[in-house]
Amino acid sequence: DQQVKQNSPSLSVQEGRISILNCDYTNSMFDYFLWYKKYPAEGPTFLISISSIKDKNEDGRFTVFLNKSAKHLSLHIVPSQPGDSAVYFCAAIGNNDMRFGAGTRLTVKP
Amino acid sequence: DAGITQSPRHKVTETGTPVTLRCHQTENHRYMYWYRQDPGHGLRLIHYSYGVKDTDKGEVSDGYSVSRSKTEDFLLTLESATSSQTSVYFCAISDLGTVSTGELFFGEGSRLTVL
Repeated sequence: DQQVKQNSPSLSVQEGRISILNCDYTNSMFDYFLWYKKYPAEGPTFLISISSIKDKNEDGRFTVFLNKSAKHLSLHIVPSQPGDSAVYFCAAIGNNDMRFGAGTRLTVKP
Repeated sequence: DAGITQSPRHKVTETGTPVTLRCHQTENHRYMYWYRQDPGHGLRLIHYSYGVKDTDKGEVSDGYSVSRSKTEDFLLTLESATSSQTSVYFCAISDLGTVSTGELFFGEGSRLTVL
């Protein structure tokens, strides 16, 4: 069973606009959430995280929002740049377990 | 960049043959992990290690075994490869483990094709 779901396999946005990537989870034991970014032929790299005690965490152009009641988190990238084109994985941790979503491929068009 | 090296980076093998993938780290991190990445499934944990000779199963461990005889090396073995094990395999390391921040450092991946 997929406890972490990224329902959009792909997303295309114009350079300079906002990219919003979504992630839903089902396990209420998850209390820490992360986003990883992956370029082709490379391993995933950590991007940003958020604890369940917060509802927002910002790092430069990247902001992660957490809605615990809806079991939903989102990653906002503003402004989007062509170099942001990659696959983004959300991940959730809880009870010594870490689960990843299936990933969303973001394409930022110049 | 974290010092993680996976070998081989690409391998094609036949069903029923044994395969060993190697992960080597130079960071002296305690925790090491093997994941597989498949379309529609994201990254799934196969096995992990929390110290030399200390390993445990992950979400998709059937058909795989691991060994860690030194801090820096973590081996993943497919005793008898099957076509369902065609995948991209990622090694990851962590100094605190996923009980804490969950920040993992990944290798570049090993693409395995089982014919």
